Amino acid sequence: DSGVTQTPKHLITATGQRVTLRCSPRSGDLSVYWYQQSLDQGLQFLIQYYNGEERAKGNILERFSAQQFPDLHSELNLSSLELGDSALYFCASSVGERGPLSTDTQYFGPGTRLTVL
Amino acid sequence: AQSVTQLDSHVSVSEGTPVLLRCNYSSSYSPSLFWYVQHPNKGLQLLLKYTSAATLVKGINGFEAEFKKSETSFHLTKPSAHMSDAAEYFCVVSDYGGSQGNLIFGKGTKLSVKP
Repeated sequence: DSGVTQTPKHLITATGQRVTLRCSPRSGDLSVYWYQQSLDQGLQFLIQYYNGEERAKGNILERFSAQQFPDLHSELNLSSLELGDSALYFCASSVGERGPLSTDTQYFGPGTRLTVL
Repeated sequence: AQSVTQLDSHVSVSEGTPVLLRCNYSSSYSPSLFWYVQHPNKGLQLLLKYTSAATLVKGINGFEAEFKKSETSFHLTKPSAHMSDAAEYFCVVSDYGGSQGNLIFGKGTKLSVKP
């Protein structure tokens, strides 16, 4: 158990809908990262927040957005969903702002499996 | 930009025999490199990491990896495979390029262990 929690575990929805994925980092971790794992693209980085502020952006679509709240939990919002958005979405957390650069380790949650029908 | 290539998409070994999962990286900097494991229907677990200290890195569950700068490789090994090692393994490099520390994952190597 990494200490990172994600809810819900599974989500099934229809095209055009909007969903929110939630992540609680490990106690004491200030950085939260979101990753998408799909059959086509493999595992890819979406976005990073540190202490409530956006720090880095990866291959995140404009239809997707995220935020980190004062209690450090984070939410990933996916809107106008398409079939291709079906994937496993992981959240990871680390202590510092710079993740592995400061020898921080990123700890991953169990993921949320999103199915868009 | 950093990148990572896992040379085998699938490796099959017999229980008790050695495991070798190959990984090559590309980096303009001194990279931080990781191996993560993903068991079926589970999240990602860190096996080990290299961050410019010792080139031979020991991880959990008997795995180790050697950083070879001249070969730009970071292969994962284990002397004796166990059935519980069956999983997907990801070689990962940290991205110094334009980001603060996100990870770049290889495509993964699925390890099967035969009894």
